[in-house]
Amino acid sequence: EVQLLESGGGLAQPGESLRLSCAASGFTFGSYAMNWVRQAPGKGLEWVSVISGPGTYTKYAASVKGRFTISRDNSRNTLYLDVNSLTVEDTAMYFCAKAKKSISWIDSWGQGTLVIVSS
Amino acid sequence: IQMTQSPSSLSASVGDRVTITCRASQGISNYLAWYQQKPGKVPKVLIYDASTLQSGVPSRFSGSGSGTDFTLTITSLQPEDVATYYCQKYNSDPLTFGGGTKVEIK
Repeated sequence: EVQLLESGGGLAQPGESLRLSCAASGFTFGSYAMNWVRQAPGKGLEWVSVISGPGTYTKYAASVKGRFTISRDNSRNTLYLDVNSLTVEDTAMYFCAKAKKSISWIDSWGQGTLVIVSS
Repeated sequence: IQMTQSPSSLSASVGDRVTITCRASQGISNYLAWYQQKPGKVPKVLIYDASTLQSGVPSRFSGSGSGTDFTLTITSLQPEDVATYYCQKYNSDPLTFGGGTKVEIK
């Protein structure tokens, strides 16, 4: 059974940084692309970033490009999202999400980690 | 590429046929998925490749379309279908979601 467990969220002030983590189990982690998707309170889903299985390919939404960095450690079965220069608009639940194969649709989701940006 | 869903919300009776549309601003072939998110839950995929039903999803759900225009149909709405439905493109980045359609029971 695929399990994705996010951590690292919390309260941050504008301009601060956080590192979100996602511990994966139940599948061959390094064989699948992984995504971060966020959802602001009461709002829709927003795709944030994707990384290929080997970690050689990364893409970002325009809203976070240059501020967020996705990475992975396949030896630790862990996905990361470094979020820098946070703004109040980054307040959201951040979901770790496994792609079905390479860059494709999402077949498994974590429960999310909440990031609140407030002064 | 923008993904535009309509309507943004709808209210229908149990047993009704419900149709949700998703329009891409550029052609995406059939690289489209539909997700269901029930209140307080994480999303789950219903349809991928525009029309392929994910294993375990009730057959009252179906998807169609290709290119720029796509449809999710619920043939007979059930109380457990109350949720927000999202489309997502995945032909290339960004892997944009539609704005969502909230489905309620009348």
